[in-house]
Amino acid sequence: GQQLNQSPQSMFIQEGEDVSMNCTSSSIFNTWLWYKQDPGEGPVLLIALYKAGELTSNGRLTAQFGITRKDSFLNISASIPSDVGIYFCAGLDSNYQLIWGAGTKLIIKP
Amino acid sequence: NAGVMQNPRHLVRRRGQEARLRCSPMKGHSHVYWYRQLPEEGLKFMVYLQKENIIDESGMPKERFSAEFPKEGPSILRIQQVVRGDSAAYFCASSPIWTGELFFGEGSRLTVL
Repeated sequence: GQQLNQSPQSMFIQEGEDVSMNCTSSSIFNTWLWYKQDPGEGPVLLIALYKAGELTSNGRLTAQFGITRKDSFLNISASIPSDVGIYFCAGLDSNYQLIWGAGTKLIIKP
Repeated sequence: NAGVMQNPRHLVRRRGQEARLRCSPMKGHSHVYWYRQLPEEGLKFMVYLQKENIIDESGMPKERFSAEFPKEGPSILRIQQVVRGDSAAYFCASSPIWTGELFFGEGSRLTVL
């Protein structure tokens, strides 16, 4: 089946640093979505992208839908402690199947 | 506006017992999805339902697992004759239409002793 390659698997960063993570696929997607899961909670939608090349911001978060429609990245600027959690990308393919990445775990070093 | 409500939040069962997990979607949402998550792992799709219909159950194990979303009442994920490997967090999500934008509940954590 289709897969999304999400990287990095985990990140250890200092508070205040910028964060970048991405997802790639060998298949084209019509929609890219980024979710965040806090410990012990369900995922929450952060950003949805619908057009190739689209760049969307949500506060300190910025995500882009790759021009080839096969990738997307998420940037977090000036990280704060509440940014810790697992970030998932998901792509909606031409069959309207929602394919999920394995997640990027963000950990802030004390 | 109440979000997606799942209950119970925690459930402990002994091997061989049945587990029933309930999910009430957000008001106005007719699409319901169930996912399973093992500790330190990602989300695994199980089943997608609309009212009274199973749309996609490609992620559901063929035996012991079943799901329903009746005309009235919550969606139910039922696991018969549970085994230790069923221990996981089970998340329900809902959406008003199918766009990939899902609203998740807080999950039900099943522990099988």
